[in-house]
Amino acid sequence: EIVLTQSPGTLSLSPGERATLSCRASQSVSSSYLAWYQQKPGQAPRLLIYGASSRATGIPDRFSGSGSGTDFTLTISRLEPEDFAVYYCQQYGSSPEGTFGQGTKVEIK
Amino acid sequence: QVQLQQWGAGLLKPSETLSLTCAVYGGSFSGYYWSWIRQPPGKGLEWIGEINHSGSTNYNPSLKSRVTISVDTSKNQFSLKLSSVTAADTAVYYCARGRKYYDILTGYYNRAPFDYWGQGTLVTVSS
Repeated sequence: EIVLTQSPGTLSLSPGERATLSCRASQSVSSSYLAWYQQKPGQAPRLLIYGASSRATGIPDRFSGSGSGTDFTLTISRLEPEDFAVYYCQQYGSSPEGTFGQGTKVEIK
Repeated sequence: QVQLQQWGAGLLKPSETLSLTCAVYGGSFSGYYWSWIRQPPGKGLEWIGEINHSGSTNYNPSLKSRVTISVDTSKNQFSLKLSSVTAADTAVYYCARGRKYYDILTGYYNRAPFDYWGQGTLVTVSS
C-alpha cells in the first residue's frame, strides 16, 4: 500500500501570498498518477490537478502541480480569498486502494 | 455536463446495513469506473470501492468483507451496501467518477482521477 504524507498540516498565509504544499509517497507513484483536490466546508472535493501537473477543466492558472516519483508539490502562486480550504493529494496508480493524503489546511493568517 | 446525484438513509442503528444509490446524468456511463468514497467528520478521505458498467468491482481491503457495490445500467445508477455498521462508519459518503476510464484506441482501461462527485450524504450510526 502506498502511503501519502502531506506537509505542512496547516499553512497560515495572507491573500496574495504564495502557497507551497508537499505530498510525499512511500513508494514511487506510477506514471505520475497523482492528483490534487480542494475541499471547502460542506462541499465535495474538487479536482484541481491530475497527472501530477495537468490542470483540470476550469481551474485557474494560479494553481500548478509538479513532481514525480515520490515527491509532489501543489503551488498556488497568489492566494485569492476563495483559495482558503483543505487540499488533498491522491494517487490513482497501481495500488488498489486509491489512497489519499491526510490533507493540508490553508488558512488565513 | 456530468452530474452525480446520490441518496439514501442518513440515520442507522449499529448492525444495520447502509444503503446508498448514485445516479449519473450526462456523459458516458459505460466508459468509466464509478466509486464510493467516505469522509468521517473532521477527517480525511477514504476510498471504499468501484464498479464498471459490466459489474466488475474492486474494493478497499479494509472494508471488503462488508461492502457490496452494484450497478443498474438501465438507469445509469450504481449502489453501495455496507453491512454491520458501527459508529466508526459515521461519515459523509460520496459517489464519484473514477478511478479508470476505457480507452477506445487501446481497448484497455487507463487510470483516471475522481473528476465528478456527488453532493455527499451524511450517514450517522447511533443507537
